[in-house]
Amino acid sequence: GDSVTQMEGPVTLSEEAFLTINCTYTATGYPSLFWYVQYPGEGLQLLLKATKADDKGSNKGFEATYRKETTSFHLEKGSVQVSDSAVYFCALSAYDKVIFGPGTSLSVIP
Amino acid sequence: NAGVTQTPKFQVLKTGQSMTLQCAQDMNHNSMYWYRQDPGMGLRLIYYSASEGTTDKGEVPNGYNVSRLNKREFSLRLESAAPSQTSVYFCASSDTWTGYNQPQHFGDGTRLSIL
Repeated sequence: GDSVTQMEGPVTLSEEAFLTINCTYTATGYPSLFWYVQYPGEGLQLLLKATKADDKGSNKGFEATYRKETTSFHLEKGSVQVSDSAVYFCALSAYDKVIFGPGTSLSVIP
Repeated sequence: NAGVTQTPKFQVLKTGQSMTLQCAQDMNHNSMYWYRQDPGMGLRLIYYSASEGTTDKGEVPNGYNVSRLNKREFSLRLESAAPSQTSVYFCASSDTWTGYNQPQHFGDGTRLSIL
């Protein structure tokens, strides 16, 4: 069945470091792909999305490219800030199903 | 713009008690969802409603019931609470009428403890 795999956390980075959170997926159709972010005590918020192969989603300095050949949608940011500390979820949407990855916790230290 | 509103935000119950978690959205979305979030387990779908008048089981429906009261509201009921249902519950909505590439919009969650 369809599934989403994310790199294990927690991830701890110093401010201004480069961030990569890996996400790979398995799907039988042509899913849309999403990254959501969850700040402490809040619900998930959409960070970015891509709906077809080679699309690049971007928002708030974060980017991810839909790679059909490697079934991946890795999240990147060039310079993280303390305010980026949160849990990040990769997700896919295909037909009437949305499947979330387990989440990756990111802590950014000054 | 309120988005998705969940009530209550916190609740403590005793084993065997019942309660209903309320969820309302003001975005005119057709689809609504209930998830639970547990440490190390990510989000697990309990029930969803693709449109007013329909509900379907998700991954972990046992011990729960739902009601899609109207297009705006989707409630989750625990008939006889058990400690294993201690969790954070999230309601979400999505405009899937315009396609399945639409994101979900989440409430801030209900933190439920069952003693």
